This record gives sequence, C-alpha cells and structure tokens, in this order.
Amino acid sequence: GIQVEQSPPDLILQEGANSTLRCNFSDSVNNLQWFHQNPWGQLINLFYIPSGTKQNGRLSATTVATERYSLLYISSSQTTDSGVYFCAVEEKLTFGTGTRLTIIP
Amino acid sequence: GAVVSQHPSRVICKSGTSVKIECRSLDFQATTMFWYRQFPKKSLMLMATSNEGSKATYEQGVEKDKFLINHASLTLSTLTVTSAHPEDSSFYICSAWSGSGNEQYFGPGTRLTVT
Repeated sequence: GIQVEQSPPDLILQEGANSTLRCNFSDSVNNLQWFHQNPWGQLINLFYIPSGTKQNGRLSATTVATERYSLLYISSSQTTDSGVYFCAVEEKLTFGTGTRLTIIP
Repeated sequence: GAVVSQHPSRVICKSGTSVKIECRSLDFQATTMFWYRQFPKKSLMLMATSNEGSKATYEQGVEKDKFLINHASLTLSTLTVTSAHPEDSSFYICSAWSGSGNEQYFGPGTRLTVT
C-alpha cells in the first residue's frame, strides 16, 4: 500500500515563530487532507488539498502532486497550535507518521 | 456543521467483558463511517469501513469477530469490542463521510482501558 512519511517528527518552537511541515507519499493520490490533533485527541480538519495551494488565516498548504509531497505552513505560531499534525491520503485515509509541534510561550 | 460525536469518551472495563462505543453524525447523514485505532504517540490506523445497512469491510489483520461494527442508520455506527483484553486498550476514533464532498469528519475519540 501507499506509504506516507512526515517530517520532522518533532518540532519545538517559540511563540511567534514560523514553521513548515512536510508530507511525502509514495504514489499518486486523488485525496490529501491535513489534520491537527489537539492534546485531547480531537482531529480537526485543516485542508483538503490534493493539489495546488490554499490559505486559511495563519495556515497555508501546498501540494505538488507530480512530485508526491505536500507542505503545511504555520506562521506566527501560538500555543494553541501545539499538537500533532497529520496528513492523510486517499478515500480510505492512510495517515502519515505525524509531526508533534510544541509551541513554547 | 459536520459534527461527529462519540460516546463514551472514556471507559474502563474488566478483562473478558464487552464494550460498545457509539459514533453519531449530529448534523448530517453519513453514508459511510470509518473506525480507527490509535496507540500512544502513534498514527491512526484504519480498522474498518461501514456503510449504512450493509456489513462492514475490515482491514487486513483486524478480527471481525472481536470488533463488531453495526451501521444501522445514517447517523449511527457502533463498535463493540468483545471479550476485551488488556491489549485492546487504545484510543478508538470514528469518522463520517456524507457521500458528497471529499472530507471525512472525526469524532472526539474514546479511550478504552481494559484491566
């Protein structure tokens, strides 16, 4: 099956910093989503982005489908951004390995 | 919109007993619901896919007789962990898809501890 790797696995940043999270996938996909799992376990939909670029406030995402990767950008980080970020691909979502983001006040 | 609830949020049970977890789509009808399992500090793994009114499709390695899934209506799916053992302790998360659009929406999860 398709493999989905995310990097970095862990990221610790000061409040106000910017960050880039990467998602690599091993085969072409028709569906790619980014999620934020908060410290209580709830998964929050961030973007549906099989290709192209989208922005929502301080967050934006870009997927280059031909090169099999997607990037999630977080600008001006806040402590509430802490948690684990997952990308997931295909209709039966295959989740990536996740990036654990910790924002320090 | 697109709210999915799970009940209970947390359950502790004794080894050998069965536990039922409910997943409800509150403001939309879910053609398809999915059940995932997540171990501590790990990613989510799909266990099974259920369509309303039909039998669930289980992923490879998931015991269908141990994890019983019922999707009796367009707003409710249940996962029953039968004869639970400590190794079944995990975080179980459901998601729902309306049949239109591309996104699944996730419930808040159920933390199961088997003693």
